[in-house]
Amino acid sequence: GNSVTQMEGPVTLSEEAFLTINCTYTATGYPSLFWYVQYPGEGLQLLLKATKADDKGSNKGFEATYRKETTSFHLEKGSVQVSDSAVYFCALVTMNRDDKIIFGKGTRLHILP
Amino acid sequence: EADIYQTPRYLVIGTGKKITLECSQTMGHDKMYWYQQDPGMELHLIHYSYGVNSTEKGDLSSESTVSRIRTEHFPLTLESARPSHTSQYLCASSESTSVNYEQYFGPGTRLTVT
Repeated sequence: GNSVTQMEGPVTLSEEAFLTINCTYTATGYPSLFWYVQYPGEGLQLLLKATKADDKGSNKGFEATYRKETTSFHLEKGSVQVSDSAVYFCALVTMNRDDKIIFGKGTRLHILP
Repeated sequence: EADIYQTPRYLVIGTGKKITLECSQTMGHDKMYWYQQDPGMELHLIHYSYGVNSTEKGDLSSESTVSRIRTEHFPLTLESARPSHTSQYLCASSESTSVNYEQYFGPGTRLTVT
C-alpha cells in the first residue's frame, strides 16, 4: 500500500543553519506530494507541493523536489529562523477512488537563537 | 487564508459525558475529514465525508460518530467519553475536484477526559 517515511525528530539546529528533512514514499501510480507545517497550538497548513516528477515546490524559503527515481521529496531550507520551529509532515495523494491523503509521522524542528 | 473553524478549542470533561466537537467551513468544500493526533504528533484519519449524507470510517477505529447534514458542518460526537479519548482532534476539508488535493485544516480541539 501507499506510505510515507520521514526522518524522526526532534531535529535541533541553530539559527541560520541549513535544514534537510528527509522524506521517501511508496505509492502505486503517480502521487502528488506535499509538505505541511504545524506551528504550536495550530492546525496543519500547506507549505509546498509538487504534482509530477522533477517539479520543485517552494514557499517561505523552503524547497522540495519530486524525485521519482529515488521516490523522495526532501525538504530543504538554506538558513532557518527561530520562527521555523514547528512540526513538518510529508504527505502524498494518489489518484485513487478514495484519494485519501497519506501523512508521514511528522518531524519536530527546534531552532535555537 | 483557510476558513475552517473548530469549537471548542479546549475541553476538559468527566468520564461518561456526551460531547460534540464542532467543525464548520465556509469554502463550500464537499470533502471533510476528522483526524486524531497523538502526543507523538502522528495523524490518524478517523472519519471522512464526500458530501451531504456521506460518512465513512477512517483508518483508525474510533468510538466517535459523525454526521453531515449540511455541506459546511461536520460535527463529531462521543456518546460516552473515556480517558482513552484524550487527544487532539483536527478537522479538515478539501475540494472534490481539486487535482492538487490540498486539505485545509482547522486549529484543532484539545480534549481531556478525566
